[in-house]
Parts: sequence; C-alpha cells; structure tokens
Amino acid sequence: DSGVTQTPKHLITATGQRVTLRCSPRSGDLSVYWYQQSLDQGLQFLIQYYNGEERAKGNILERFSAQQFPDLHSELNLSSLELGDSALYFCASSIGGQGRDTIYFGEGSWLTVV
Amino acid sequence: GNSVTQMEGPVTLSEEAFLTINCTYTATGYPSLFWYVQYPGEGLQLLLKATKADDKGSNKGFEATYRKETTSFHLEKGSVQVSDSAVYFCALTSISSGSARQLTFGSGTQLTVLP
Repeated sequence: DSGVTQTPKHLITATGQRVTLRCSPRSGDLSVYWYQQSLDQGLQFLIQYYNGEERAKGNILERFSAQQFPDLHSELNLSSLELGDSALYFCASSIGGQGRDTIYFGEGSWLTVV
Repeated sequence: GNSVTQMEGPVTLSEEAFLTINCTYTATGYPSLFWYVQYPGEGLQLLLKATKADDKGSNKGFEATYRKETTSFHLEKGSVQVSDSAVYFCALTSISSGSARQLTFGSGTQLTVLP
C-alpha cells in the first residue's frame, strides 16, 4: 500500500458526460501528480500541483482540469468525454515538488467511456 | 527533452532463469532513475531507484545500476519466479524548465514467467 488513495476504482460513463476523479496523497506529501495510462499512448504525465498551486502541465487536454484543495487532496475533472478518454488514471504524490524524492502512485481509477 | 527507451516485450522466461530488461535514457541535468512494476490488475509500485551515477538500486532480488557513461539503467534478477510476472517500467525524473518534476516513463516491458 503506497498510501495514495484514489476513488472511484472503476467508472463507466457515456460519451459527452463529465466525471470527477479524487485523490488523497500520502500523509505529509505536498505534491500531487496525475497520469494517464492508455494502450496507445502509454503512461503520460497530465499535471502536477504543489501545495495547492499548479506546478507543471503535461499532455492534458483542455477538456480536463484539476485542482488541489487546502487539505491537499486533489480532483481531476474530465468533461465532454470521448471514447478515446477510456484509460487508467493514476494519481501520485511526493513530499516536495523538486529534488530527488520518490513519487508514489495510487492504484488508479479505471475509466470506461461507452 | 527527456526520454526513456525500454527493451521491447513481451519477455517470456522459465522459472529460475536470469532476467535482464534493458533501459537507456536521454535527460538534461542529473536525473534520478526508477523502475516501477505493475502487477496484473494493480497500480504502479516503486521497485527500486538510484539517484546518482554508479548507485545501485535493489529490492526483492532485483538490481539496477545507474550508468552515466552509457546512459543506462538495466534491470536484472538472477532467478525469476512466477510471481514476478508483471509489466516493468523504467522511468526518470529531471528538473525541467520551470523547476518542476515529473516522471518520464518508458513504454513498459511485459514479463511472463512460466513454471
């Protein structure tokens, strides 16, 4: 158990809908990261937050947004869903936003868009 | 930019065989290197890491040495077990412009160990 908690574990929704994925980082970690794992794109970095502020953006679509709340949990919002958004979405956390600390992953949220 | 190139899979071995999964990287600065493992139906778990040249990371019988001269971080295990069947990802972090860190992953290598 990495200590990173993600909900829901599985989600099935229709095209055009909106979903929210939730993540609680490890106790004491200030950085939260979101990654997408799909068969054709592999593991892709989406976005990073550090202590409530956006720190880095990767290959995140404009239809997707995220935030980190004062209690450090984070949410990833996916809207106007398309079939191609079906993927495993990972949240990860680390103590800081820089340096050599390890990034720990949650078990992921499986999203299926039908 | 940063990139990781991993040995193409899938790899199928018999139990107790020797395992090597090759990983090479391109990075700016001084990256930290990682191997993550994903067991069937599960999330990513950190297997081992190395943060500077010549460091050796090890865990559960797996080892990898950070080789700066060859920009490599090959994963090895002397005697694999059926329970090692999983997908293995090589990854790195490096300070990019903007001073943020994120993992850059290789494409993953599927390992199947047969009894």
